[in-house]
Amino acid sequence: QVQLVQSGAEVKKPGASVKISCKASGYSFNYFYIHWVRQAPGQGLEWLGRINPISGATNYAQRFQGSVTMTRDTSINTAYVELSRLRSDDSAVYFCARVREHAFEFWGQGTTVTVSS
Amino acid sequence: QTVVTQEPSISVSPGGTVTLTCGLRSGSVSTGHYPSWYQQTPGQPPRTLVYNTNTRSSGVPDRFSGSILGNKAALTITGAQADDESDYYCVIFMPNDMVVGGGTKLTV
Repeated sequence: QVQLVQSGAEVKKPGASVKISCKASGYSFNYFYIHWVRQAPGQGLEWLGRINPISGATNYAQRFQGSVTMTRDTSINTAYVELSRLRSDDSAVYFCARVREHAFEFWGQGTTVTVSS
Repeated sequence: QTVVTQEPSISVSPGGTVTLTCGLRSGSVSTGHYPSWYQQTPGQPPRTLVYNTNTRSSGVPDRFSGSILGNKAALTITGAQADDESDYYCVIFMPNDMVVGGGTKLTV
């Protein structure tokens, strides 16, 4: 069955960077875009961007241009999102999601990132 | 910047029917936006309910239905049950973006 398994929780200081992984299994990794979505405590969902696993091409939400980098390693069926220059308002649960027919189809379990001095 | 609007909160009686909507601050939602709907309970990832306007995801009961009503996407729940009490999000597809609405908190 399709699974997206994310890396564990992270605690970082302001100004640091964090890299979260999303390992896919149960399907052909190259065939579906991976998107990243975050949810701050008590808040709604926010789309960060997407990556094409075949080409590595990315699209980022405008507000995350320059602070978010998405990559992938097709040899291990894993997508990554790296956030740089972390601020306290980057504290959130980060989800990866597989997209099919322009919708999020399968979700990772989420990775909690806490930014605190 | 595209802004997707949803009712912040809605209440429905058990067994009742409720419609949640998803609009654009500027313009109309159409099938070309491939609107999709998600249910989320605290501490869990979202669950995909409907995609491509009105296609139910696998395992989703048929009391959840999606449509376009006027200039908005809509999610209708018929025969609301206690465990439908959740947050609901709509997502609009744009050529280089996916835009998420602010969510609707449904109370049953």
